[in-house]
Amino acid sequence: DGGITQSPKYLFRKEGQNVTLSCEQNLNHDAMYWYRQDPGQGLRLIYYSQIVNDFQKGDIAEGYSVSREKKESFPLTVTSAQKNPTAFYLCASSNRDRGPAEAFFGQGTRLTVV
Amino acid sequence: DAKTTQPPSMDCAEGRAANLPCNHSTISGNEYVYWYRQIHSQGPQYIIHGLKNNETNEMASLIITEDRKSSTLILPHATLRDTAVYYCIVKGGTSYGKLTFGQGTILTVHP
Repeated sequence: DGGITQSPKYLFRKEGQNVTLSCEQNLNHDAMYWYRQDPGQGLRLIYYSQIVNDFQKGDIAEGYSVSREKKESFPLTVTSAQKNPTAFYLCASSNRDRGPAEAFFGQGTRLTVV
Repeated sequence: DAKTTQPPSMDCAEGRAANLPCNHSTISGNEYVYWYRQIHSQGPQYIIHGLKNNETNEMASLIITEDRKSSTLILPHATLRDTAVYYCIVKGGTSYGKLTFGQGTILTVHP
């Protein structure tokens, strides 16, 4: 089935370590997005990419980095510079510009930093 | 993208229609109204979107007022599995996944 796969579902890391979250899609979408969600809050945009080898900062990019070397993949690295990394991270994808369209979300990765 | 206002919570009896309102008084002519929902600890799920005409799909109906300043999402026969946070998002342009999520409405469906 087509969709977005995020792995792992749960991730634990020690403070000060970088960690990379995986996001893969087989929907042939050009655009991919990373969001962060804190308890009881809505989603906030971290980074997005409209096309391979290009990406832009969202509203809360500090302490995060991304790459987009392949259309199918958009990994997110949570660096040690991110002050409060414990959160629920969601990846999404969408068509880029073929009329109004919906975004498809993965099931998320819950990151806990101890 | 225009700001939206939704009630923080609503209740609905199982089998009854759930009507979720959304105000978007500053919406501009080329902006669409989108609805997503998020079941606990899962990724958001797209429900429906519209510009000015009423829309219906297998999940829900979307009623947009003539002046486009408000809309209502209707789940015609709510089930327990419809318990979720519902987000109303107004969006124009491309980058269809670049969405501004507010607090949404927590819909609780009771047996």
